[in-house]
Amino acid sequence: EDQVTQSPEALRLQEGESSSLNCSYTVSGLRGLFWYRQDPGKGPEFLFTLYSAGEEKEKERLKATLTKKESFLHITAPKPEDSATYLCAVQAKAGGTSYGKLTFGQGTILTVHP
Amino acid sequence: DAGITQSPRHKVTETGTPVTLRCHQTENHRYMYWYRQDPGHGLRLIHYSYGVKDTDKGEVSDGYSVSRSKTEDFLLTLESATSSQTSVYFCAISATGLAGGPGNIQYFGAGTRLSVL
Repeated sequence: EDQVTQSPEALRLQEGESSSLNCSYTVSGLRGLFWYRQDPGKGPEFLFTLYSAGEEKEKERLKATLTKKESFLHITAPKPEDSATYLCAVQAKAGGTSYGKLTFGQGTILTVHP
Repeated sequence: DAGITQSPRHKVTETGTPVTLRCHQTENHRYMYWYRQDPGHGLRLIHYSYGVKDTDKGEVSDGYSVSRSKTEDFLLTLESATSSQTSVYFCAISATGLAGGPGNIQYFGAGTRLSVL
């Protein structure tokens, strides 16, 4: 069974204090790993997709990396507006289905204080 | 919200009553999904659709049914609501399922907060 574990559950940072969020996964053949951002009362917002180990993607202060067992979301010099819940999800290769099931972790709640 | 509208945004209902949630998309995407989000469980797939009148169950489908009569609309029905179905419900869409490239990215609506008393 596919499994995704995110750590820490919550992270408090001072503005400008860089850190990383972790997403560990087990999946029967990784098709893609997805990072989403979710603000309170809103739906998840897509950030990145990573497809193979060694791949990296960046967007503003965020950088996502992927190994064969985990992904990191690095946040450089965060600002208060980066405060949100960050969700990680994996999509397995076809296993009799074609709909692209996503298995989500429970998320990391990031709070950045000014 | 990537051309996705969920309605209603909030609903309070009583145990035993039927409830229908609507997801409407303007992207003409083939795949549509219903998830529920609960503390401690993350997002879990209820049902999905891979075309008009083509639907299938997800991991938490008991007590829910769906219908898709048009590409743009995907309805989630709770035939007889129970307190365990109090949750936030999200609709998502994607252009493809497992095909490569950005087409398999799922985009989410703003959610419906449902309370069953």
